[in-house]
Amino acid sequence: AQSVAQPEDQVNVAEGNPLTVKCTYSVSGNPYLFWYVQYPNRGLQFLLKYITGDNLVKGSYGFEAEFNKSQTSFHLKKPSALVSDSALYFCAVILGDTGRRALTFGSGTRLQVQP
Amino acid sequence: DAGVIQSPRHEVTEMGQEVTLRCKPISGHNSLFWYRQTMMRGLELLIYFNNNVPIDDSGMPEDRFSAKMPNASFSTLKIQPSEPRDSAVYFCASSRSGTGGAYEQYFGPGTRLTVT
Repeated sequence: AQSVAQPEDQVNVAEGNPLTVKCTYSVSGNPYLFWYVQYPNRGLQFLLKYITGDNLVKGSYGFEAEFNKSQTSFHLKKPSALVSDSALYFCAVILGDTGRRALTFGSGTRLQVQP
Repeated sequence: DAGVIQSPRHEVTEMGQEVTLRCKPISGHNSLFWYRQTMMRGLELLIYFNNNVPIDDSGMPEDRFSAKMPNASFSTLKIQPSEPRDSAVYFCASSRSGTGGAYEQYFGPGTRLTVT
């Protein structure tokens, strides 16, 4: 079985400050990891992914994430938050060793960036 | 590219009625996924297709739910009869899988279903 945990329901940060949204995963094999963002009344938008290679991956809108195998984590980061980053963020995993391609999502973290 | 297209965007129906949700995936994508989002259960997979063939329907709640993909550019999710607990946002997503596949899924805007 595979699962994803997002331990924080909400993260508050001031505009211009760095932000981190946490994600840990549990799979019995090689994980393919993803971050998505959801704005109100919208579908999910793909931000970035880790499949293999460099542990630090860069994605859209200045976001990046670091794959840490020993800590089974894939935290989302941005050096300087914008008010427009306020949204719901989802971490997701696919077990890479199988042919199964459906995403297992975390519960989501609401990011609130204050002006 | 127009992205994943879903219709209708909103559906309000009465308990017992049949509901059909529609999805057009991104051209060239060979995997299609139906997810449901609720406050209580979050985002959960209902079913997914690869090359128009259902691969995993373990998330389909019960026999009232059925999904089809008659061709590479169209899929439907049908609920018959509908119940109030089916109220949710239903998302369709597509991706390019297989050799050289990118794995990330692209989501449609969703259909907000309300069953009264």
